[in-house]
Amino acid sequence: NAGVMQNPRHLVRRRGQEARLRCSPMKGHSHVYWYRQLPEEGLKFMVYLQKENIIDESGMPKERFSAEFPKEGPSILRIQQVVRGDSAAYFCASSPLTGGSGNTIYFGEGSWLTVV
Amino acid sequence: RKEVEQDPGPFNVPEGATVAFNCTYSNSASQSFFWYRQDCRKEPKLLMSVYSSGNEDGRFTAQLNRASQYISLLIRDSKLSDSATYLCVVKPGGYNKLIFGAGTRLAVHP
Repeated sequence: NAGVMQNPRHLVRRRGQEARLRCSPMKGHSHVYWYRQLPEEGLKFMVYLQKENIIDESGMPKERFSAEFPKEGPSILRIQQVVRGDSAAYFCASSPLTGGSGNTIYFGEGSWLTVV
Repeated sequence: RKEVEQDPGPFNVPEGATVAFNCTYSNSASQSFFWYRQDCRKEPKLLMSVYSSGNEDGRFTAQLNRASQYISLLIRDSKLSDSATYLCVVKPGGYNKLIFGAGTRLAVHP
């Protein structure tokens, strides 16, 4: 049973370009979360999605960032017109349930974005 | 004030040492608590959940004090392989919106 798959693992973009990060949740999981980790900081929640629905995007920057989780295919985190401050590790996680007690969240290996 | 605050570290300890990490959280309504371990340029991995009664997993012991909003992790008999960043994590409730501390770096040397 494959884990949470993220690609690309490493991405280099020039300022002003677009970055697209993909995440395939674990088989059977319909809940996806995106987190961002800036250098020397902890992970910060960005967005929580279910199939075709954004449930909580309270951690998403107001501009340039968007996320989707279509009925078919992976979840996509899209960053338009990237700036140097977007350089970070972006982690996707999935869970089979919405939460409840305990912790059943599984992280992917992350996508490292470098903006030059 | 940060929602989850940790000792900044780094902690440099010899093999065999006992080391303790502390963490405080600001949201008194938080429901679940965890310690994660993160190796350099890797994803965070769950080390253990933390319960009010305290829990132990081998050399690792975690404690939660809800009244003080304080969480701790004790590592006994440190191994070289324990070198990593330890993240204190709080889940306010409901779905898996985890709040991470900035982490405490541990370096165990021979």
